[in-house]
Amino acid sequence: DIQMTQSPSSLSASVGDRVTITCRASQSISNSLNWYQHKPGEAPKFLMYAASYSQSGVPSRFSGSGFGTDFTLTISSLQPEDFATYYCQQSYSTPDTFGGGTKVEIK
Amino acid sequence: QVQLQESGPGLVKPSETLSLTCAVSGDSISNYNWTWIRQPPGKGLEYIGYIYNIGSPDHKPPHYNPSLKSRVTISVDTSKKQFSLKLRSVTAADTAVYYCARRRLEIITNTYHYYMDVWGKGTTVTVSS
Repeated sequence: DIQMTQSPSSLSASVGDRVTITCRASQSISNSLNWYQHKPGEAPKFLMYAASYSQSGVPSRFSGSGFGTDFTLTISSLQPEDFATYYCQQSYSTPDTFGGGTKVEIK
Repeated sequence: QVQLQESGPGLVKPSETLSLTCAVSGDSISNYNWTWIRQPPGKGLEYIGYIYNIGSPDHKPPHYNPSLKSRVTISVDTSKKQFSLKLRSVTAADTAVYYCARRRLEIITNTYHYYMDVWGKGTTVTVSS
């Protein structure tokens, strides 16, 4: 199975900060990388596919990049509703595998 | 807008079968692939498996995570607009929040990209005697 490693596992940031989350694959996955946002007690929310294609309705402050093994999710200006846990997921080969998550907390 | 709702027993005894259902509302169940994912306490998300679009002419058998394949069955009931998960011979390691989700496909420059665009809120299942 392809291992997905996210860093950091948690971070503290303030509203308005620029936040970058990294996801690394154990082997090349082309650009088959998805991102999700998860808040406690809620359904996970799909943000992005193919590394950089945003789901309809996702605010433009979210952007993704990367190819091969290294990927990033960037929030250009953190908003109060963005405090959550973010997960990457590779769909390059089955079984799908997820990163361990990055919890974005309020500083 | 499509919504998914998981349901099933919150407590299952060791060695028994865990059975969950995901009700689909707001869209056809026949036009998509459907998947199950779980998250054990304090751990990351784990893909369980998915069932293919039963309305597709090239419908294939369900796909399961090899680590669970011998114990898992995913099925769909179009008349009830729901799909189901059965996990046999459970142990404490199967204690988790179980999520159902819709699996979509996007083709970009001849590359297939799969993702889960709609999720349920999850249901907690504890395996304990």
